[in-house]
Amino acid sequence: GAVVSQHPSWVICKSGTSVKIECRSLDFQATTMFWYRQFPKQSLMLMATSNEGSKATYEQGVEKDKFLINHASLTLSTLTVTSAHPEDSSFYICSARGWAAEETQYFGPGTRLLVL
Amino acid sequence: LAKTTQPISMDSYEGQEVNITCSHNNIATNDYITWYQQFPSQGPRFIIQGYKTKVTNEVASLFIPADRKSSTLSLPRVSLSDTAVYYCLVGEEQAGTALIFGKGTTLSVSS
Repeated sequence: GAVVSQHPSWVICKSGTSVKIECRSLDFQATTMFWYRQFPKQSLMLMATSNEGSKATYEQGVEKDKFLINHASLTLSTLTVTSAHPEDSSFYICSARGWAAEETQYFGPGTRLLVL
Repeated sequence: LAKTTQPISMDSYEGQEVNITCSHNNIATNDYITWYQQFPSQGPRFIIQGYKTKVTNEVASLFIPADRKSSTLSLPRVSLSDTAVYYCLVGEEQAGTALIFGKGTTLSVSS
């Protein structure tokens, strides 16, 4: 299957700082990328949908000014957690879909964020 | 989007066949059924996808009855490494459509 990478795999930061997470589709062009968040013992929660060259669509309850998403190319999307606080500590997972309508979503390995 | 219902947890022993059933009573005509596997601190891994009848790959089989209101993921001869959370998702296979995750089934395989 297609490969999606994320960087970094884990990050520790101080409260109030910003953190950027990259999501790349390595062997296919992703028309759409998605960002999820997962808290311990819980399922994945969709945060936003990102289409290349356009603004992201955020799910209800997700602050767009806090979680900045940029999808500048067909292989790269970034999620920036601005002014991070301890409650933002979570496992962030991106996924991507390719051109063909029948292609399913491929997920990255996830990024563990710990805000102190 | 069609809501799915799965058992919260299942237990099995190595070498047994495991069947996880998912209910999706309000599945739409254009919806596909997709199963993912997730290990702790990893992203979900695609297992299998189907629209109707039976689909089989090197990892699992997916059984879908004619009314498509449920589906069953079958894992033949599980091993300890199959201990994971399994998610059943239903949705359209369109580029801009996200998959919405339910609670999933935690499968525990013992020796």
